[in-house]
Amino acid sequence: GENVEQHPSTLSVQEGDSAVIKCTYSDSASNYFPWYKQELGKRPQLIIDIRSNVGEKKDQRIAVTLNKTAKHFSLHITETQPEDSAVYFCAASTRNNAGNMLTFGGGTRLMVKP
Amino acid sequence: DAGITQSPRHKVTETGTPVTLRCHQTENHRYMYWYRQDPGHGLRLIHYSYGVKDTDKGEVSDGYSVSRSKTEDFLLTLESATSSQTSVYFCATRRGGVQETQYFGPGTRLLVL
Repeated sequence: GENVEQHPSTLSVQEGDSAVIKCTYSDSASNYFPWYKQELGKRPQLIIDIRSNVGEKKDQRIAVTLNKTAKHFSLHITETQPEDSAVYFCAASTRNNAGNMLTFGGGTRLMVKP
Repeated sequence: DAGITQSPRHKVTETGTPVTLRCHQTENHRYMYWYRQDPGHGLRLIHYSYGVKDTDKGEVSDGYSVSRSKTEDFLLTLESATSSQTSVYFCATRRGGVQETQYFGPGTRLLVL
């Protein structure tokens, strides 16, 4: 089955700096890669996603890049703000007869210091 | 939040007792999922459903069973709870077709003593 590894597990940055979180996946058939943000005590919420036919996608201060050959994808957050502090999860989706299955990375705790 | 609710939101139970968690959605999404979240492990899939009465096992299904008798409800049952099943349980739904996004419910915090 799919295996997703995520690094780093914790990341501390100064407000205004950039943050980068990296994930690798094992199944070359994976075709959809979402990123979720989870604030303390809350549900995971989708912040950006990318499909395997696209190399990069941006949405204001966040961007995701995908390297299918190397089987890794990354989340980039620019001009970080204290409200960006949360746990971020990457995931990879593989399709089977019953639909798409998501395998999640272990999460990255991002702390943005004012 | 895709109209997903979970009940109960918190539960404390004793080892060996049965526990049922409920996920209810109002969006008529075809796919429903149960995950557990533990520190360092991210979210791990327990079981999922791809339609009424259609379910299958996920990565960590041992000790759990599910049922889906109608589109809006997906039940997760721990037949005989163990301390290793102490966790936060999240339900998620997905519309299906080309729509890939999974939407998560608010979670249920379960403590097995």
